[in-house]
Amino acid sequence: GQNIDQPTEMTATEGAIVQINCTYQTSGFNGLFWYQQHAGEAPTFLSYNVLDGLEEKGRFSSFLSRSKGYSYLLLKELQMKDSASYLCAVSDSNYQLIWGAGTKLIIKP
Amino acid sequence: SAVISQKPSRDICQRGTSLTIQCQVDSQVTMMFWYRQQPGQSLTLIATANQGSEATYESGFVIDKFPISRPNLTFSTLTVSNMSPEDSSIYLCSVALSDPYEQYFGPGTRLTVT
Repeated sequence: GQNIDQPTEMTATEGAIVQINCTYQTSGFNGLFWYQQHAGEAPTFLSYNVLDGLEEKGRFSSFLSRSKGYSYLLLKELQMKDSASYLCAVSDSNYQLIWGAGTKLIIKP
Repeated sequence: SAVISQKPSRDICQRGTSLTIQCQVDSQVTMMFWYRQQPGQSLTLIATANQGSEATYESGFVIDKFPISRPNLTFSTLTVSNMSPEDSSIYLCSVALSDPYEQYFGPGTRLTVT
């Protein structure tokens, strides 16, 4: 079957660094996406990884290891506005996105 | 990226009635999707609506309950038929652009069925 696992909830402090992990088992792989979703809003695209390694985009970085079926999203210099849910999604062999349940990130002052 | 609008943004409907949700995109796209999201949960794909073909429904969703139209490359509708309180949810449309086919979402329609 197809499965994506990520922690349900994480808490971090403003200004700190947090890493949100995602493991996956899917039929085929055409890339892994991270999305941010603030409460009551639609998901917005953050990053895409298709090759192994780290992709950096400002305060956000995303890492992929295809052999391990593993990715993480790294958020640096956390700000209160980063409080949101972070969704991991894998594009399968048909380019359809398989979604994780999301990680709710709570930032404390 | 793509700019997507949805109508209505929210509605409160009576049990047994139907609601049609519209999704408009600012550019021509082939791949369009309809999702449902229950409060505090992740996204559940209802169907894929590619222009020029019949919509493809995921397990647990049927055309009689969720008929979809895709008349052109910038527009689609999803109808929630014979609604029950279990249909209360946020309904989202999304589009996938060219490779790597990241998806962009509309703002969603918040449906409450009483």
